[in-house]
Amino acid sequence: QVQLQQSGPGLVKPSQTLSLTCAISGDSVSSNSAAWNWIRQSPSRGLEWLGRTYYRSKWYNDYAVSVKSRITINSDTSKNQFSLQLNSVTPEDTAVYYCARAGGVGGTWKGNWFDPWGQGTLVTVSS
Amino acid sequence: EIVLTQSPGTLSLSPGERATLSCRASQSVSSSYLAWYQQKPGQAPRLLIYGASSRATDIPDRFSGSGSGTDFTLTISRLEPEDFAVYYCQQYSSSPYTFGQGTKLEIK
Repeated sequence: QVQLQQSGPGLVKPSQTLSLTCAISGDSVSSNSAAWNWIRQSPSRGLEWLGRTYYRSKWYNDYAVSVKSRITINSDTSKNQFSLQLNSVTPEDTAVYYCARAGGVGGTWKGNWFDPWGQGTLVTVSS
Repeated sequence: EIVLTQSPGTLSLSPGERATLSCRASQSVSSSYLAWYQQKPGQAPRLLIYGASSRATDIPDRFSGSGSGTDFTLTISRLEPEDFAVYYCQQYSSSPYTFGQGTKLEIK
C-alpha cells in the first residue's frame, strides 16, 4: 500500500521560496509505472495541478504553464522522496498543497489520475 | 487546456435517495480519461472512479461512473450518511490535468 507523507513549513514570506517534501513508502520514486505530482487547492483557484516528475530510463518533468517559470520538482532516490520548490511567492500562492501518485496499479502505467494523496500542507504566504 | 464544468453546484438530497452529478468538458476527453474524487472537510480528495467507469479499490458499488466524449456522470445509487461531501471530476487526457470546480452534496 503506497503512502505519502508531506513535510515543510506552513508560513513563507512574500518573494521567498516555498519548499515541500513528499516521502514515499510502498513504492519507488524511480518506478517506471508511476508519476509523482504536486497539486494545490485554494478557495479562489480550486484544485490546481502544478506539475509532476517521473522516471522512464531518465527523469522527466511536466509543469503547468501558470507556474512554469517559478516551479521545480526534484526527486531524491536515496531518500525515496520528491520535492516542490516554488519561487517568488505572493499571497496568491496561499493554498493547501498536496503531493499525489499517478499511474494506477499493476506495474504498468495506466494514466494520470491521482491515488493516493498526501495529507496536505497549508502554506500561507505572508510577511 | 480542457475546462471541466460540474453541475449542479450544490445538490440537496436525503439518505437513501439517488444522486446524479454531471461533469462537462470543453473538448472531448480522449479514451474516457476521466476520474472522480470525493473530499470531506479537512481531508485530501479520495479517488472513486477512473477511466470514467472503473471503481477504485474498496469503493462501494453504489458509486458508478458513466459517459464519454464531453459528458460524464457520477451516480450514487442510494445515499449513505457518509456520502455527503464535495465531489470533483478530473481529466487526464491532456496536460495540464484539470479539475472541475466541484459539486457539494448536502443533506436535505
